[in-house]
Amino acid sequence: EVQLVESGGGLVQPGRSLRLSCAASGFTFDDYAMHWVRQAPGKGLEWVSGISWNSGSIGLADSVKGRFTISRDNAKNSLYLQMNSLRPEDTALYYCARDGAQGGAFDIWGQGTTVTVSS
Amino acid sequence: DIVMTQTPLSSPVTLGQPASISCRSSQSLVHSDGNTYLSWLQQRPGQPPRLLIYKISNRFSGVPDRFSGSGAGTDFTLKISRVEAEDVGVYYCMQGTQFPLTFGGGTKVEIK
Repeated sequence: EVQLVESGGGLVQPGRSLRLSCAASGFTFDDYAMHWVRQAPGKGLEWVSGISWNSGSIGLADSVKGRFTISRDNAKNSLYLQMNSLRPEDTALYYCARDGAQGGAFDIWGQGTTVTVSS
Repeated sequence: DIVMTQTPLSSPVTLGQPASISCRSSQSLVHSDGNTYLSWLQQRPGQPPRLLIYKISNRFSGVPDRFSGSGAGTDFTLKISRVEAEDVGVYYCMQGTQFPLTFGGGTKVEIK
């Protein structure tokens, strides 16, 4: 079964760091670009960051540039999001998503991991 | 950044009746490779998003044929030919043509 499982979320104080992980299974991980998308409580979807299959191309939303870093380990079938200098406005459900073979569309999503930034 | 604007914000629909959602981009979504990376996603309450349509009008695997997408350039439409109870949720358009990728604000489909 094709699956993405996020982990690493939690409650963290403003200014602290957190590292999210996404474990992929059921498909050839290094065939696909991957992304992080977040959803603040009661709000819409916001793309956070994306990475190509070989890490050669990386994109970041302006709202997280300089604070968040995306990476992947193809040997471990895993995607990561290192989040530094966290702010209350980073509070959200963070989804990992696969950029499908059709290109430019996210065909597989995880269930998400919740990040709460609060003192 | 490309801004995606969806209308309406909310769409109350009678079961069995059609529904239509519009999505407009602030600039053309035609990629240099000739493709237009406009997709539609459905998010049911308490669930992650689910891909319905990719590249304007291609239904993703397992998506019922009552869902259809159309449009070109900067104007796009998602249509549900006959709304069923399981279609309740929020629908988003997304452009995958240019970083940063962007989503529309969402349209809530509910049953009257």
